[in-house]
Amino acid sequence: QKEVEQNSGPLSVPEGAIASLNCTYSDRGSQSFFWYRQYSGKSPELIMFIYSNGDKEDGRFTAQLNKASQYVSLLIRDSQPSDSATYLCAVIGYLRDKLIFGTGTRLQVFP
Amino acid sequence: DAGITQSPRHKVTETGTPVTLRCHQTENHRYMYWYRQDPGHGLRLIHYSYGVKDTDKGEVSDGYSVSRSKTEDFLLTLESATSSQTSVYFCAISESGDQPQHFGDGTRLSIL
Repeated sequence: QKEVEQNSGPLSVPEGAIASLNCTYSDRGSQSFFWYRQYSGKSPELIMFIYSNGDKEDGRFTAQLNKASQYVSLLIRDSQPSDSATYLCAVIGYLRDKLIFGTGTRLQVFP
Repeated sequence: DAGITQSPRHKVTETGTPVTLRCHQTENHRYMYWYRQDPGHGLRLIHYSYGVKDTDKGEVSDGYSVSRSKTEDFLLTLESATSSQTSVYFCAISESGDQPQHFGDGTRLSIL
């Protein structure tokens, strides 16, 4: 089992819809969770982080964390074609010394 | 944007040659990291540093060494490059081990 798992996609959504990106992790002691966006040929860019169970909202983005289910998700409301990118989920485990990345979900938003 | 500069941005070299990649930061962050990114594998940690002269291995450290003699600089060296080390290399920095990491623009390395 991979430490951080994501569906590779592509996830295709129409412009204006809600995109839902999901991530599961195996280390039950994980404390910190991050979402990065990566455009093709560019470096990862941090868009959200969440430490506590529940929802955290920032503009059109909402991160959701459920530690009991070992599940973290990212919702993008009013999706735009400019949101088309690969979204990387990353988790810091119990030892708090390394960030483990999933392989990413490719999101395509079509007009 | 976080003040992170990677050099060179692109490099083509031959198998068996030594290669050094540089990461320079202006944020005075304690932690620095080197990752490689390959299709199907995502981002994998090579080595990281938690202070001057303090480094540790990551998931894919074989064939790589690092050095950090100053807070602002973290060097990654391929002692004898192999074709399997062709990849995109990213440097990242963070204030502490459990804080968000911010990435440099990457170095595209091709080993022929």
